Amino acid sequence: EPEVTQTPSHQVTQMGQEVILRCVPISNHLYFYWYRQILGQKVEFLVSFYNNEISEKSEIFDDQFSVERPDGSNFTLKIRSTKLEDSAMYFCASRADTQYFGPGTRLTVL
Amino acid sequence: AQSVSQHNHHVILSEAASLELGCNYSYGGTVNLFWYVQYPGQHLQLLLKYFSGDPLVKGIKGFEAEFIKSKFSFNLRKPSVQWSDTAEYFCAVNGGGNTPLVFGKGTRLSVIA
Repeated sequence: EPEVTQTPSHQVTQMGQEVILRCVPISNHLYFYWYRQILGQKVEFLVSFYNNEISEKSEIFDDQFSVERPDGSNFTLKIRSTKLEDSAMYFCASRADTQYFGPGTRLTVL
Repeated sequence: AQSVSQHNHHVILSEAASLELGCNYSYGGTVNLFWYVQYPGQHLQLLLKYFSGDPLVKGIKGFEAEFIKSKFSFNLRKPSVQWSDTAEYFCAVNGGGNTPLVFGKGTRLSVIA
């Protein structure tokens, strides 16, 4: 069964550094999403992406964040200058009729 | 504002006990409803979904959920839980199409022998 994959599984970075989280959506899906879950809190929507552009974004998705589909398979989330409060699990999802989630990347900002 | 409430933070059951996890939502307009499960160390997996039609939906692994529109609820049930059902369960809602999911805080289920 096809799955959404994410790399790395765990990323540790220093505050102020840039990080890129990578996702490979399921191949025939057209809609892509990023969510995050801060420890002990809800899974929160960040951004959705369709047809090579952002279709919707939340208040969390400020100028520090960007998304890109650099080739036909990858879907990336970039955080330009990480803050301590960016520490969370970041989930990628892709959608046919429903959203299928990847295993997540645990981002730790020190 | 759109929101999902899951009333139980942590539920502990013995094997073979019946399960009901509560979920209430606040969402204007058309709703699609979902239950996702996250087993320890694994990713979110879809258990079941409701788009329209029969309000009683059956999912994988013997789970079912009932949409009660008048109560804005979508409770998850299973008649007899197993140790392997130990996981975190998330209720979610969206407005259909490619609209983002709004999640509840999750309910941790621990099944003991």
